[in-house]
Amino acid sequence: KQEVTQIPAALSVPEGENLVLNCSFTDSAIYNLQWFRQDPGKGLTSLLLIQSSQREQTSGRLNASLDKSSGRSTLYIAASQPGDSATYLCAVIQGGSEKLVFGKGTKLTVNP
Amino acid sequence: EAEVAQSPRYKITEKSQAVAFWCDPISGHATLYWYRQILGQGPELLVQFQDESVVDDSQLPKDRFSAERLKGVDSTLKIQPAELGDSAMYLCASSLGDRITDTQYFGPGTRLTVL
Repeated sequence: KQEVTQIPAALSVPEGENLVLNCSFTDSAIYNLQWFRQDPGKGLTSLLLIQSSQREQTSGRLNASLDKSSGRSTLYIAASQPGDSATYLCAVIQGGSEKLVFGKGTKLTVNP
Repeated sequence: EAEVAQSPRYKITEKSQAVAFWCDPISGHATLYWYRQILGQGPELLVQFQDESVVDDSQLPKDRFSAERLKGVDSTLKIQPAELGDSAMYLCASSLGDRITDTQYFGPGTRLTVL
């Protein structure tokens, strides 16, 4: 059974700092990996989707990388801002099931 | 920008009562998903529809949960009777097709509290 782990569970940084969020998964047979953002009490917003054949994706200040063979992904946020404060969720689509399997998320707080 | 709509946003009920949640996907999206997210956890898929047909309901507790998408557009998720452990956020998502590359767009969710 696929398990997705996100470390750290919570992270607090000062504004302007560059930071990295980590995601690992136990079964490397995935179709793709997605990073989502969730604001308190709200739904999820898709940030980046990396296909299994890709190594990274970039959107603005966000860069996500994927190392499928080692079962790891990182989300890099450059020049963090207070508006980046949210919970960031990593999810994979497992080969054969086509289901999104989520991690528990990393709660990010960016202090002004 | 088109969004997934859900109602109600919040629901408080007593155990053993019936509750229902409604979801209206983005227009033209054939695939609709219901997820349950317990506080501090990631969402877990309950049921997936392709048009009006159920594609996957393997994680739906069928003794008390039911879901329908009669005309292949909006959908209703029902719980009867509700139990304390059902307290969670219920998220609806939709995607254009059923390809694994299709992005899922999520609604704001319904926060259920069972007393």
